[in-house]
Amino acid sequence: EAGVTQFPSHSVIEKGQTVTLRCDPISGHDNLYWYRRVMGKEIKFLLHFVKESKQDESGMPNNRFLAERTGGTYSTLKVQPAELEDSGVYFCASSPWTGRNTGELFFGEGSRLTVL
Amino acid sequence: AQSVAQPEDQVNVAEGNPLTVKCTYSVSGNPYLFWYVQYPNRGLQFLLKYITGDNLVKGSYGFEAEFNKSQTSFHLKKPSALVSDSALYFCAVRGPSGSARQLTFGSGTQLTVLP
Repeated sequence: EAGVTQFPSHSVIEKGQTVTLRCDPISGHDNLYWYRRVMGKEIKFLLHFVKESKQDESGMPNNRFLAERTGGTYSTLKVQPAELEDSGVYFCASSPWTGRNTGELFFGEGSRLTVL
Repeated sequence: AQSVAQPEDQVNVAEGNPLTVKCTYSVSGNPYLFWYVQYPNRGLQFLLKYITGDNLVKGSYGFEAEFNKSQTSFHLKKPSALVSDSALYFCAVRGPSGSARQLTFGSGTQLTVLP
């Protein structure tokens, strides 16, 4: 079974440009999460999809970030326009729907974003 | 707001010696506690979790963690470290309901096991 895949693995862009990160969750997983780790600090929650619906987007830093999950399959996270402080590693994770959902998350390898 | 503290950025231990990676947490209500590990150029992998029940939880690769409610701690342990255990370890907590159900991670501890 394929795990969570993320693309690109590394993106280098200039301030003001746009970047789109993609995440393909494990097939059949209704829950999809985006997290971010900036400059070696803690991994911070960005948002949570259940199928195609945004369940919780309380962690999104500002309106330059837009996440979508059309059709409830893969998800994209767009940063437009990118700023220097957006540099970091963006992790995607998925899990099956288990009601109370106390289970663990399955993470991708992350997309490293460098904004120059 | 819930939080996790991993007081040590780096832990070094000799192969064959016991290891401990420390974690303390703060959350309203009963906590759900997790340990994840990140090997170089890999994603985070689940190691173990505490939800309810026995305070000593056993997980993958011989790791275990002890939940201590009075000290709000969930330290990761292994009786005999291997060089292959060298990796970045993250502790995480989740609250029981609402937005607190999202995982809150610590800043990570780099474990280096010396041969």
